[in-house]
Amino acid sequence: GAGVSQSPRYKVAKRGQDVALRCDPISGHVSLFWYQQALGQGPEFLTYFQNEAQLDKSGLPSDRFFAERPEGSVSTLKIQRTQQEDSAVYLCASSPVDGTIYFGEGSWLTVV
Amino acid sequence: AQSVTQLDSQVPVFEEAPVELRCNYSSSVSVYLFWYVQYPNQGLQLLLKYLSGSTLVKGINGFEAEFNKSQTSFHLRKPSVHISDTAEYFCAVSEAAGNLIFGKGTKLSVKP
Repeated sequence: GAGVSQSPRYKVAKRGQDVALRCDPISGHVSLFWYQQALGQGPEFLTYFQNEAQLDKSGLPSDRFFAERPEGSVSTLKIQRTQQEDSAVYLCASSPVDGTIYFGEGSWLTVV
Repeated sequence: AQSVTQLDSQVPVFEEAPVELRCNYSSSVSVYLFWYVQYPNQGLQLLLKYLSGSTLVKGINGFEAEFNKSQTSFHLRKPSVHISDTAEYFCAVSEAAGNLIFGKGTKLSVKP
């Protein structure tokens, strides 16, 4: 497709369950970002890939969060042993070399 | 460290009136500046960006913003708003090819 595609759009997880969120970036985009947006807040940076290399993971809130992009295209954000504070929208974004970042519609995670 | 301040959390305005959404940033290096719009239950859509050159930037949907380096501001303006402009607006800053730092957002509510 023409834009950044994320799945699932909506996910309800029981506390303690593992979840995996998928991102298909715009074709040819080298950079890929994950952001977390809590209710009523602006997006906050989680991690950044350039091709398959994870160059910055300073925003990941705990070691329960893990992201990968093994072939430099599709990326997966995994959250282990989910907690209620993990409830948020997880936004994926990609960019070409000119620095403009394009966002997907997000994966809405609710932990109950 | 970079930071973004959006001074107004909510801005109510009547249809066809002008609007200005304020954004100030802090950074020790040259930055790129962005405005994104988020409609309910959707991801972020790029409105406009400042990378270099002319300080007055025109974007989609009739919006424009002016980069003021001395005041470290990047306020968003529209001369006449429509009901369909009701959304949340995020100002963001990045260094070259870096990740985005967002403000907390301004909710624009356009009333008939």
